Amino acid sequence: AQTVTQSQPEMSVQEAETVTLSCTYDTSESNYYLFWYKQPPSRQMILVIRQEAYKQQNATENRFSVNFQKAAKSFSLKISDSQLGDTAMYFCAFIISGAGSYQLTFGKGTKLSVIP
Amino acid sequence: DTGVSQDPRHKITKRGQNVTFRCDPISEHNRLYWYRQTLGQGPEFLTYFQNEAQLEKSRLLSDRFSAERPKGSFSTLEIQRTEQGDSAMYLCASSLGTSGGGNEQFFGPGTRLTVL
Repeated sequence: AQTVTQSQPEMSVQEAETVTLSCTYDTSESNYYLFWYKQPPSRQMILVIRQEAYKQQNATENRFSVNFQKAAKSFSLKISDSQLGDTAMYFCAFIISGAGSYQLTFGKGTKLSVIP
Repeated sequence: DTGVSQDPRHKITKRGQNVTFRCDPISEHNRLYWYRQTLGQGPEFLTYFQNEAQLEKSRLLSDRFSAERPKGSFSTLEIQRTEQGDSAMYLCASSLGTSGGGNEQFFGPGTRLTVL
């Protein structure tokens, strides 16, 4: 069975500082995609960043970057220069590639608070 | 706004009643997904459509649940004989269908169901 573990239920960071959210996952498959989704309070979930498992290079999107360690099955998210608008639930998720299944498997989430 | 829309946004019902939710995906997206999110948890996959065909169903989707996507456009999710355990946020997502499954799933705002 595929599982995602986010070991930090809640985190806080000072505005303009850097924070790293942890994620580990378990799958026996070798081809998959990893995602970080953001769910602001009372708003819909949006994609933050995506990583293809076969790519060695870590993905980056502006202030957001990942540290993908395939052997360790680890996929952490780093947010640089944190902004008040980054306050949200962050979900780590993955999807198996090419298996005919398109379901995202999510972790329980990390609630991030950015403090002014 | 051309994002994923869901109706209603909130539904309160009494145990034993039937409820139906609607999802309108992004118009050019051929894949549509339903997820359920309970408090403190990440979304859990329920079912997936490619065009009008329902191709995957989770074991979470008991026989009281039925989903349709006539003509491959909007989708409905019906819950019959609701139970208090059905109380949750029901999320709809859509994506473009290409090989691999790694395309971004765009989420709607969700329908919050409360069963009294």
